[in-house]
Amino acid sequence: AQKVTQAQTEISVVEKEDVTLDCVYETRDTTYYLFWYKQPPSGELVFLIRRNSFDEQNEISGRYSWNFQKSTSSFNFTITASQVVDSAVYFCALSEARSGGSNYKLTFGKGTLLTVNP
Amino acid sequence: GAGVSQTPSNKVTEKGKYVELRCDPISGHTALYWYRQSLGQGPEFLIYFQGTGAADDSGLPNDRFFAVRPEGSVSTLKIQRTERGDSAVYLCASKGAANTEAFFGQGTRLTVV
Repeated sequence: AQKVTQAQTEISVVEKEDVTLDCVYETRDTTYYLFWYKQPPSGELVFLIRRNSFDEQNEISGRYSWNFQKSTSSFNFTITASQVVDSAVYFCALSEARSGGSNYKLTFGKGTLLTVNP
Repeated sequence: GAGVSQTPSNKVTEKGKYVELRCDPISGHTALYWYRQSLGQGPEFLIYFQGTGAADDSGLPNDRFFAVRPEGSVSTLKIQRTERGDSAVYLCASKGAANTEAFFGQGTRLTVV
C-alpha cells in the first residue's frame, strides 16, 4: 500500500524567511510519481510539481525548489524568501506510474498548514 | 469552461436523505476523479472515470456511494441515506491526455445534520 507522511502539521514563519516542508513516502512500486499541491483558503488544489521516480535531479522554479532523495524516500519542498501569499495548506502526493506514463490515483499526505506572517 | 466546476458549492442535508453532487470537467478531458477531504486531512481517492466508464471505484467507502458519467463529460456523485460521517468536502478533478497533472475544482462542502 502507498503512504505519504507529512510530519509537520503547521509551520509559522515571518515573511522573507526560508521554509522547508517535509514529505516521506512509502510504496512498493518501482516506478511512481510524486507531487506537491497547494490549497489556498478558496479550497481548490493547485498543482505545483510532478516528479518521476527515475528523475532524482533537484528542481528549482522561482522561489520554489524540490529535493528528491530516493534513498530516504523523501521529497521535500523549500520556499525561499517566503511571502504572505504563500500561506496555504501544502500537500505531498504519490501515484503509481501506469503504462504510457500516465498516472491517476493520488495518495495524499495530511498536509502542512503554512502561515507566513508579515 | 475554463476550469473544473462543481455544484453546489455548499450542501446541507438531513441524515438519511439522498444527495447528488455535480462535476463539470474541463472540456475535452477524458479522465475524471472524485476525492473526499475530511477536515484536517488530505484528499482521499473515491473513483476514477476514463470516458464513460468507472475504471477504478476502489475508493468508494460503501454501497451508499455511487457515481456516473453517462456521456463522458459531466459526472454526478450520488450518496444515499446520508450519515453524519459523510460530511466532508468532495473534490472533483479532470485530466486530459496531454496533461501531466489533474486539475481540481473548488469542491462541494457537504454537511449532514
